[in-house]
Order: sequence, then C-alpha cells, then structure tokens
Amino acid sequence: DVKVTQSSRYLVKRTGEKVFLECVQDMDHENMFWYRQDPGLGLRLIYFSYDVKMKEKGDIPEGYSVSREKKERFSLILESASTNQTSMYLCASSPAGTGRHIQYFGAGTRLSVL
Amino acid sequence: TQLLEQSPQFLSIQEGENLTVYCNSSSVFSSLQWYRQEPGEGPVLLVTVVTGGEVKKLKRLTFQFGDARKDSSLHITAAQPGDTGLYLCAPRTGNQFYFGTGTSLTVIP
Repeated sequence: DVKVTQSSRYLVKRTGEKVFLECVQDMDHENMFWYRQDPGLGLRLIYFSYDVKMKEKGDIPEGYSVSREKKERFSLILESASTNQTSMYLCASSPAGTGRHIQYFGAGTRLSVL
Repeated sequence: TQLLEQSPQFLSIQEGENLTVYCNSSSVFSSLQWYRQEPGEGPVLLVTVVTGGEVKKLKRLTFQFGDARKDSSLHITAAQPGDTGLYLCAPRTGNQFYFGTGTSLTVIP
C-alpha cells in the first residue's frame, strides 16, 4: 500500500512562530507537493518538487518555503506564522513519467495560528 | 489560472437515491481525475479519464469525460452512506494540475 505520512494531524501555533510541517512518502516517488485547502477555495498549490534539492513555486508560495534534502521527505516551512495561514495542509506525492498525474495524498495537517 | 466549476456545491440525499455531480470548464484538458475526500482525511483517487467521451465505471459510480474534454460528470447509483464525502475533480493540462472546490455529498441512512 502506498503511504504518505504527515507528521501531525493537528497543530496550534502562535503568530510569528516558525512552523515546520513534515511529509514522508515510502513509494520512492520523484514528485512531491504541498497544498492548502480552504472552504470555498479548494486545493491550492503552494510548492512542489520534482527531485531532491529541487523546488518550484506553486500558485500561492508567499509566506512559505520548502526543503527537500532527501527523496522521501518534503518539508513545508512557515517562517513567521500568521492568522491567515490557518488552514488544512495536504502533502501529496506522485511518480515521474507517465504516472506522474496520479497523486497520493497524506491525511492532512490542520493548522491553527492564534 | 483555469476557471473550474463544480456543481452542486452541497448535496444531501437519502440512501438509495441516484445523483449526478458536474465539473465544468471553458478550457480543454489532457486528462481529468476524480478524487473523494472523507472528513479528516486526504483525497483518494477514484478514476482518471483521458479520452473525450470516455466512460468509466467503478461499481456504482459512473464517470464520463465530455467529448470536447472540457467537462466531466460523476453519477452515483443507489447511493450509500459510505459514499458521503467531498468529490473533487482535478483536470490536467500539460504539467499543471488543478482542483475544483468540490461537491460535498451527504447520504442519509
């Protein structure tokens, strides 16, 4: 069974804190993605990575950064959390090549910034 | 950003009823996926459609890709409480993925 694991299901942080969201996949996938999901707005792509140490901005990268030091791990970093970053964060991975459009999602991290 | 609309936004039906949800756009897509997301979980892929006019069946779920590859529908026959969830369409153009805002389905026992 394919597995994408997000380190926390729920997080509560204070404004201005640095926040790390971790995602690990055990499928040896090349591609990894970070989305946020908000009511009425659907899933919006924050950052993605096609390879180790490689990253590309998605549609809403402002206020976020990412790190991919190892193939299986993709971290999302909120340098200084703000209340408008309260959201559900979803990590996904997909294989390279013809199968790359099939994304496997983690269970999500619900982040509240107070 | 592609304009993508899913309808209806919310749907509540009784167990055993049939329903259809829609995913529409003015853009042409190379393929389209449907995902289901249960409360508190991440989306799970149900199907991928690639060819215009393609119909795929997954038990009681029937997926159709429009002839012009701009729209898609999902029909559920004899809905069950286990079908409850958020249904997301996710079309693809080249290397870009897009997600609709989803149809939230509740099936009442």
